[in-house]
Amino acid sequence: GQNIDQPTEMTATEGAIVQINCTYQTSGFNGLFWYQQHAGEAPTFLSYNVLDGLEEKGRFSSFLSRSKGYSYLLLKELQMKDSASYLCAVRGSGATNKLIFGTGTLLAVQP
Amino acid sequence: GAGVSQSPSNKVTEKGKDVELRCDPISGHTALYWYRQRLGQGLEFLIYFQGNSAPDKSGLPSDRFSAERTGESVSTLTIQRTQQEDSAVYLCASSFQTFNNEQFFGPGTRLTVL
Repeated sequence: GQNIDQPTEMTATEGAIVQINCTYQTSGFNGLFWYQQHAGEAPTFLSYNVLDGLEEKGRFSSFLSRSKGYSYLLLKELQMKDSASYLCAVRGSGATNKLIFGTGTLLAVQP
Repeated sequence: GAGVSQSPSNKVTEKGKDVELRCDPISGHTALYWYRQRLGQGLEFLIYFQGNSAPDKSGLPSDRFSAERTGESVSTLTIQRTQQEDSAVYLCASSFQTFNNEQFFGPGTRLTVL
């Protein structure tokens, strides 16, 4: 079956660092995505990992270990505007590009 | 516009009625996806279109759901005889090619079935 797990909620302090974990079990693997979704808005693309290791993009970094079925999203120098849901999604095998999403992690950044 | 647009933004309907949701992808994007997001749940794949290829309908939850796409432009998702469990946000996304890394999402249509 297909299963993607991530924590439901997290709280962090402005200026701090937070790590959001995602574990997955899918039939096939062709990349892992992180999306940010503010309440009432569309998801926006943050990062993509297909090989093991760390991908850094500004304040955001994403890590992947395919052997462990594990990824994390690291947010540095947290800002209040980072309060949002963070969605982990896996692209499985097959002809389409459909993504299998986790339930998302609601991050609350406090002053 | 520059992004994916969807209409209506909100739709309230009575149980048993049919509804039609519209998606306008980004110009030039050949791939189009529909997802459903129920309250407190992750996005659930519904259907995928790519050019003139047969659509991937593997995510449609029942035969009450159908979707069409005109060439590489507008798509409509139709739900017949709506049920209360159909209440959700329906999101449309598009990308340049099938295996492109980034899918661009529209703002969604919030459907409420009374």
